[in-house]
Amino acid sequence: QKEVEQDPGPLSVPEGAIVSLNCTYSNSAFQYFMWYRQYSRKGPELLMYTYSSGNKEDGRFTAQVDKSSKYISLFIRDSQPSDSATYLCAMIRGNQFYFGTGTSLTVIP
Amino acid sequence: GAVVSQHPSWVICKSGTSVKIECRSLDFQATTMFWYRQFPKQSLMLMATSNEGSKATYEQGVEKDKFLINHASLTLSTLTVTSAHPEDSSFYICSFGQGSNQPQHFGDGTRLSIL
Repeated sequence: QKEVEQDPGPLSVPEGAIVSLNCTYSNSAFQYFMWYRQYSRKGPELLMYTYSSGNKEDGRFTAQVDKSSKYISLFIRDSQPSDSATYLCAMIRGNQFYFGTGTSLTVIP
Repeated sequence: GAVVSQHPSWVICKSGTSVKIECRSLDFQATTMFWYRQFPKQSLMLMATSNEGSKATYEQGVEKDKFLINHASLTLSTLTVTSAHPEDSSFYICSFGQGSNQPQHFGDGTRLSIL
């Protein structure tokens, strides 16, 4: 079993939809959580960074962490075609980084 | 936000050539840096980790004599692919870390094509 599990998709939604992206993890020692967005042939771009359970909001993006369920989510409101990209979750445990495999998202105009 | 500059963005060269990729952090000093390789539609594969002034730690299966990493300063790291062959063709991405439990900040990647 992988330390971090992420559904690769692909996920396709109409413009304006609410998108939910998720990752699960197996080790409760993970304490720091991130979401990255990666456009085709570009490096990952940090979207959200959080270390506590609950929600963190930044514009149209909300990161949610549920440590009791070992589950993190990224919500995108009012999705736009420019949100079409691969979204990677990442976690830190003992200074080691663990990345999900990424979820490919397409927002259709 | 933290800015990382990586170049070249795309390089095409003949088999047997050595290729150097440069990665700079423009607005912060990084304690640790990472080099990744990524194949199409796949996730990041960590190649090596290095701290400024120290030798890089390579992941299992990554040839240290083929992929030379120099972490010259807190803002500059280079990856040299020596005697590149077509199977080395890939997307290479660097990233810098600012300290314990802090996010990594990535460069825009280098697309390497070996003919």
